[in-house]
This record gives sequence, structure tokens and C-alpha cells, in this order.
Amino acid sequence: QVTLRESGPALVKPTQTLTLTCTFSGFSLSTSGMCVSWIRQPPGKALEWLALIDWDDDKYYSTSLKTRLTISKDTSKNQVVLTMTNMDPVDTATYYCARTRISSYFDYWGQGTLVTVSS
Amino acid sequence: QSALTQPRSVSGSPGQSVTISCTGTSSDVGGYNYVSWYQQHPGKAPKLMIYDVSKRPSGVPDRFSGSKSGNTASLTISGLQAEDEADYYCCSYAGSYTFWVFGGGTKLTVL
Repeated sequence: QVTLRESGPALVKPTQTLTLTCTFSGFSLSTSGMCVSWIRQPPGKALEWLALIDWDDDKYYSTSLKTRLTISKDTSKNQVVLTMTNMDPVDTATYYCARTRISSYFDYWGQGTLVTVSS
Repeated sequence: QSALTQPRSVSGSPGQSVTISCTGTSSDVGGYNYVSWYQQHPGKAPKLMIYDVSKRPSGVPDRFSGSKSGNTASLTISGLQAEDEADYYCCSYAGSYTFWVFGGGTKLTVL
């Protein structure tokens, strides 16, 4: 079955760079049509799509955050990595990775990882 | 402020039907048949309930249905059950510049 799991630091300081890893199983990111997205949710607030990487290594970013985000994949390890620079307290959120069907929907989600930005 | 507008809350009694609306623009909801709906219980990850406006993934009860008219999509839950109490989010593809936009979420209370 398809599973995804996020990992990374629970606490980062303002101005630091956040690195999150999504480790998945049950599908291959080298299969045509397969993609992985990162989505975040501040406490008590709505979901926000951040970035996507597809089977062809094409990368897409949220317009408002694109200067701070980098997404990459290691197909051999079944991992997708997201880095976000210059972290701020407003970036405090639960960060999810999700398998994505291009242009369409997010069908499997990880359990999420809460990242708090505080000095 | 979220790109898609949803009511903050809706409620219904067991067995009743409720509909949650999701209003966008011609650049997102109205422009693509790529609206999806997610159910989120407290402390849990979102779960896909409807995709491509009206399709149900395997395992989702047929009490859940989706539709769209113009710039507004809707999720209808019939035969409400206690376990349906959750937050629901709509999402729409918005083209190759914005990609995806979410609604602000609707809290469903089963009375």
C-alpha cells in the first residue's frame, strides 16, 4: 500500500533553513504521472500548497514562496526533500507531503510533522 | 485569506443531508474540472473524499458526492453519521502559474 512519512526538525530558529524529508513507499516517482507535493497547515488554519516535483524531475512552486523553496528527489531512496530558507515564526505549521496526480488531486498524505519557528 | 471561499461551519442531525459550498473564480474552480475535497479529523492528516469534481476514491462511502456549477463547487453528505464530524477543505487546480488553491475549510458538526 501507499505510505508517506515526513521527517525533520520540530524546532528551528528564525532565519534558519528548514530541511524536510518525505520517505514514501508503494509507488515509484519514476512512473509517468506520479508526483509528490508539500503542503502546510498553520495551527488552526487552512491548507496551503507549497511545491511539487514530478516523475520527470520538473519542479513547481507556490508563487508567494518560490524564492525560499527548493524541492528535490532521490528516486533510488524513494525520498523527496523540501528546503525552506529564512524561516520566520509565521512559518510555524504542520508540513505534509502527499502523493499528487498531476493537475488533479492529492490522494495519499503523510501524517504530517509540526515545525515550530521560535528563538 | 484563502483563495476559495467556504462557509466557516455547517451542521446537521444524523440522517440528514448537508451541502458545503466552495466558491472560486473562472481561473480556478470555473476553469478546470479539477476540484477535490478533503476530510480532516482533529490531529489527523487530510483524507481525499472527492476528486475531479465528482469522483469518489475507492473506499469512500457513496453518501459523499460532489458537483460544480460555474465558479462554485459543492460537497454533499447525505445520511449524516457521527463520524462525518470533521473539517472539510475544497481544493482546485488553478493553472500552471498558481497551481493549487485551497478553501479556508468548513467545520461540520453533527448535532
